[in-house]
Amino acid sequence: GAGVSQSPSNKVTEKGKDVELRCDPISGHTALYWYRQRLGQGLEFLIYFQGNSAPDKSGLPSDRFSAERTGESVSTLTIQRTQQEDSAVYLCASSQDSYYGYTFGSGTRLTVV
Amino acid sequence: DAKTTQPPSMDCAEGRAANLPCNHSTISGNEYVYWYRQIHSQGPQYIIHGLKNNETNEMASLIITEDRKSSTLILPHATLRDTAVYYCIVREAAGNKLTFGGGTRVLVKP
Repeated sequence: GAGVSQSPSNKVTEKGKDVELRCDPISGHTALYWYRQRLGQGLEFLIYFQGNSAPDKSGLPSDRFSAERTGESVSTLTIQRTQQEDSAVYLCASSQDSYYGYTFGSGTRLTVV
Repeated sequence: DAKTTQPPSMDCAEGRAANLPCNHSTISGNEYVYWYRQIHSQGPQYIIHGLKNNETNEMASLIITEDRKSSTLILPHATLRDTAVYYCIVREAAGNKLTFGGGTRVLVKP
């Protein structure tokens, strides 16, 4: 597609359940990023993938969070044993390389009840 | 940590130019200035970036001072659809992440 696609757009889950969020970057974009945005707050960096290099996981808030990327395509962000503080919009972005601007998806709004 | 300082909010009149300031006094020689905006309920949108020369594209102009310690994003003819939070970010070209600060909440009024 023409843009970064994220699914689902909305997800409501019970506390303690695992969730998986998906990101389809723009074709040919080697760099992929995940951010989190809590209600009324700024964007928090979570993780960065660049080609076949080891991902930068420095922003993951706990070991309940993990992410994978298959080659230069789809990425999944998994949150295990969700907590209410995990409620946020999770944004994915991709770029042609680190010099160029990022293109963001519309995000997945996660609500943990 | 964010390395930029922006006013938290500003209003501007529809049809007029909007000038958004950003201070980045600790910017280093290999760091670029990037601008993004986030319209309510959407993901951030890339606007423009530059190193030391002024830049212009179809969305905006970026004016960087000669000492590179500050910059101004100019929206030449603001419309109601330009109402958004505007983020000024400094980053190395080879850097692996953008660090978003609080941004400036811009309200374009009729």
